[in-house]
Amino acid sequence: GAVVSQHPSWVICKSGTSVKIECRSLDFQATTMFWYRQFPKQSLMLMATSNEGSKATYEQGVEKDKFLINHASLTLSTLTVTSAHPEDSSFYICSARDRDRVANYGYTFGSGTRLTVV
Amino acid sequence: KNQVEQSPQSLIILEGKNCTLQCNYTVSPFSNLRWYKQDTGRGPVSLTIMTFSENTKSNGRYTATLDADTKQSSLHITASQLSDSASYICVVSARSGYSTLTFGKGTMLLVSP
Repeated sequence: GAVVSQHPSWVICKSGTSVKIECRSLDFQATTMFWYRQFPKQSLMLMATSNEGSKATYEQGVEKDKFLINHASLTLSTLTVTSAHPEDSSFYICSARDRDRVANYGYTFGSGTRLTVV
Repeated sequence: KNQVEQSPQSLIILEGKNCTLQCNYTVSPFSNLRWYKQDTGRGPVSLTIMTFSENTKSNGRYTATLDADTKQSSLHITASQLSDSASYICVVSARSGYSTLTFGKGTMLLVSP
């Protein structure tokens, strides 16, 4: 089945530093990847949608200069949290849409990254 | 506004018992409905995906139902196991685009020995 690998699974960083989170589709090509943020006991909130080779589309209220998204290949998308602050601490999850399973509504989620900014 | 409401918010059951989780939605135009299981600190894992024409779909001990007329879905778990303890999330997709997923807040299930 489709597998999405997200790395790292957890990270602690100091305020003001940047953190990069990787999302890889291991056995399929993902033309579209999504980045979500999840606070405790809350549902996933879509941050941005990235299409391979083009700029990401950010949801309203999400700062594109703070959350840099790069989708340089069909199997890799990265989210960089720049100049991190404690309020950026959250659970970040990516998902990828299988290009070849579009008709079957193929979405697969990564395992998530717990970011703690101290 | 597209919305997905889940109930109950949380549930505790004894190991071996059955339970049913509810999902009501107001997403339009409807494309499909998915149930995911999310373990604490992990990403969601798909359990079932149902389209407009499907009423029931099973995946092992999980059985999902869909009533597109009343815009309701349920997830029934039989013979619960301790490993079923997780958050169960109902996600509804609108037909207008692949990115228009509406997430419910989830039902937190705790299976007690």
